[in-house]
Amino acid sequence: EAGVAQSPRYKIIEKRQSVAFWCNPISGHATLYWYQQILGQGPKLLIQFQNNGVVDDSQLPKDRFSAERLKGVDSTLKIQPAKLEDSAVYLCASSLATDYGYTFGSGTRLTVV
Amino acid sequence: DQQVKQNSPSLSVQEGRISILNCDYTNSMFDYFLWYKKYPAEGPTFLISISSIKDKNEDGRFTVFLNKSAKHLSLHIVPSQPGDSAVYFCAASADTSGSRLTFGEGTQLTVNP
Repeated sequence: EAGVAQSPRYKIIEKRQSVAFWCNPISGHATLYWYQQILGQGPKLLIQFQNNGVVDDSQLPKDRFSAERLKGVDSTLKIQPAKLEDSAVYLCASSLATDYGYTFGSGTRLTVV
Repeated sequence: DQQVKQNSPSLSVQEGRISILNCDYTNSMFDYFLWYKKYPAEGPTFLISISSIKDKNEDGRFTVFLNKSAKHLSLHIVPSQPGDSAVYFCAASADTSGSRLTFGEGTQLTVNP
C-alpha cells in the first residue's frame, strides 16, 4: 500500500510570506492529522479531520494557520503570514479511524527567514 | 506544560546489549501509550503500544513496561542492533482510540557495532 504523500519536501520563505503544504493520505483512511514538529521537540497536533470534518483544531493558531480537507481525501495546510517561529517540520498522518496505528508522511521542512 | 517527558535526549549502547528508553507523564487521564521510531528525513513509524490495563507488552525484541503509579513507561530493546539507531518518541492518548497523541521530545538512540 502506498504511504502518506506530502509535498513539497522542503520550503524556504521569508517572514510575512504565505505557504501551503499538501497531503495525500493512504487510500480509505478516514482520519487525517497535521502535526508540527519544531527542532528538538516532539510532534504537536495542529488539526485532526474525520473525513472532511474537523474533529480537533484547538491547537491550531487560527489567526495565521488554516487547513481544509476537501472531499475527505487530500488536505492542505496554509500559513499566512509566516513568522520565524513557524520554522518546523509539518507532518501529515492518516489512520483508518481514530486508531493508534497511524501512518505519518515524511513531512515538509519549512524554514522561515 | 510538558505532559510527556523523555529526560534523556540521547542514549548510546553496544550492539547486542539492552537499550532502555524512559518516558514520564503527568496527565492521569492518559490511558494509552505508544512508542514511535523516526529515522532522519522520514516520518515517525509506529513501533509498539500498551493500554493502561496492562503493565507489559512484548513484540519480538521490543517490550514496553508501564508503571501507572509512577506515571512511567519504558521501552526495552533486546538485543540492540545498529539498525535500531533512530529517534524514539513516547506518546500518550487520553482515550483508547489513540487520537490526539501527546508526544515527548524524543531520545536519540545510537547502537554501536
